[in-house]
Amino acid sequence: EVQLVESGGGLVQPGGSLRLSCAASGFTVYNYWMSWVRQSPGKGLEWVANMKQDGSEKHYVDSVKGRFTISRDDAKNSLYLQMNSLRGEDTAVYYCARGLEQVPPAYGAFDIWGQGTRVTVSS
Amino acid sequence: DIVMTQSPESLAVSLGERATINCKSSQSVLYRSNNKNYLAWYQQKPGQPPNLLIYWASTRESGVPDRFSGSGSGTDFTLTISSLQAEDVAVYFCQQYYGAPYTFGQGTKLEIK
Repeated sequence: EVQLVESGGGLVQPGGSLRLSCAASGFTVYNYWMSWVRQSPGKGLEWVANMKQDGSEKHYVDSVKGRFTISRDDAKNSLYLQMNSLRGEDTAVYYCARGLEQVPPAYGAFDIWGQGTRVTVSS
Repeated sequence: DIVMTQSPESLAVSLGERATINCKSSQSVLYRSNNKNYLAWYQQKPGQPPNLLIYWASTRESGVPDRFSGSGSGTDFTLTISSLQAEDVAVYFCQQYYGAPYTFGQGTKLEIK
C-alpha cells in the first residue's frame, strides 16, 4: 500500500525548533518531487516546501525561507522538515505529500498525502 | 503569488442534485506551450488529509467517481458534482500548480440540504 506517515509534531515555544519526519512505504521517495503542506484554521492550506528527485532543487514559501529546511534520507525512504525559529503563525497540521508524476510534470499537485502531524507554537 | 478565490464559501444541495463550485485565479494558469491548465481540485473530509480529485483542470484521478468533473481554462474554473451523494459532504479546494508558491483556494464547504 502506498502511504506516508508523518511524526515529530508537538508543542514548542516561540523561537524553538522541531524536526518533522515522513516515512514512505509502497513507493520510493527519491523517484518523486516531495512536498510539505500545512493547514491552519486561519490560513487554510499552504504549500511550504518541496524537493526535486535528485535533491538538486529545493523551494520554499517566502514565510519560511531561512528558517525551514527540507531534506531526505534515501536509505530510510523518508522526508524531513527541520523547522527553526518557530513563530506562532507556524502553528498548523503539517502534511507531507507526493508530487503527481505526469507528462508534462505536475509535481506541484499532490496525489498521496500523509495523515499529518500537529505543530503548536505557543508559550 | 497567484491568489485563488473560490465561491461560494458554503453550499447546500439536495441529494441527487447538481453541485457547482467555482474557482478563480488572479492570473492565468494556462501554459500556452502545452495548452495545459495547471489547476487541481481536492476533497477533504473531517479529520482526513485532502484527496486529489481532478488535475489539469479536467482529468479525473484514478478511482474518482465520474459524477465529479472539472472544467474551465485560463483563470476561471468549475468543479461539478452531477448528482450529489451523501458521501460527497466535504470541503473542496482548488489549487494552482503553475508556479511556486503553489496556492490553494480558501475552500468551499458542501452540505446536504
